[in-house]
Amino acid sequence: GAGVSQSPRYKVTKRGQDVTLRCDPISSHATLYWYQQALGQGPEFLTYFNYEAQPDKSGLPSDRFSAERPEGSISTLTIQRTEQRDSAMYRCASSLGPAYNEQFFGPGTRLTVL
Amino acid sequence: AQSVTQPDIHITVSEGASLELRCNYSYGATPYLFWYVQSPGQGLQLLLKYFSGDTLVQGIKGFEAEFKRSQSSFNLRKPSVHWSDAAEYFCAVGPSNNDMRFGAGTRLTVKP
Repeated sequence: GAGVSQSPRYKVTKRGQDVTLRCDPISSHATLYWYQQALGQGPEFLTYFNYEAQPDKSGLPSDRFSAERPEGSISTLTIQRTEQRDSAMYRCASSLGPAYNEQFFGPGTRLTVL
Repeated sequence: AQSVTQPDIHITVSEGASLELRCNYSYGATPYLFWYVQSPGQGLQLLLKYFSGDTLVQGIKGFEAEFKRSQSSFNLRKPSVHWSDAAEYFCAVGPSNNDMRFGAGTRLTVKP
């Protein structure tokens, strides 16, 4: 696509429920990133993919968080057994390749856990 | 570990006035430095980046930033602010794009 898209844009869920967030990167981009942005803070790195490989998931806060990119394009971020502290903006970005290429960010998914 | 400090949470300037947003970083090696802008409802957009070479970096929308190693700073400047510049600005540092650390952001308000 022309830009990075994310869905849904807003998600409200109850504590304990699982949620899955979707990111559709720019079609020519090999690398895809996930960030978590708490209110009043900058984005914090969660994980990234080079095509379908996931070289770094060190930023995932707990084993309740997981991400996939099975065909090297669309990616999903799943949070199991959501907790109120998971409430945040989740941002996806993509780039032509790793390391030194500009990241293009999507509009984000605002997750609220009640 | 790298970290970024943006000392100003909120800045207000008049339209047409000059702007400087501060960014201080902590990093053990030569840093790669970035400034991003986030408009309401939009994703972050890269304004400029410094990897090496000339320490004065020109970016989009008339912004520039200067890398000062001795001060561990990478301040963002614009000579004349436009109302459309109102947004949140984030400084980031890292060894590369894969491991960026963002500051908490500075919100810019532009008065008419």
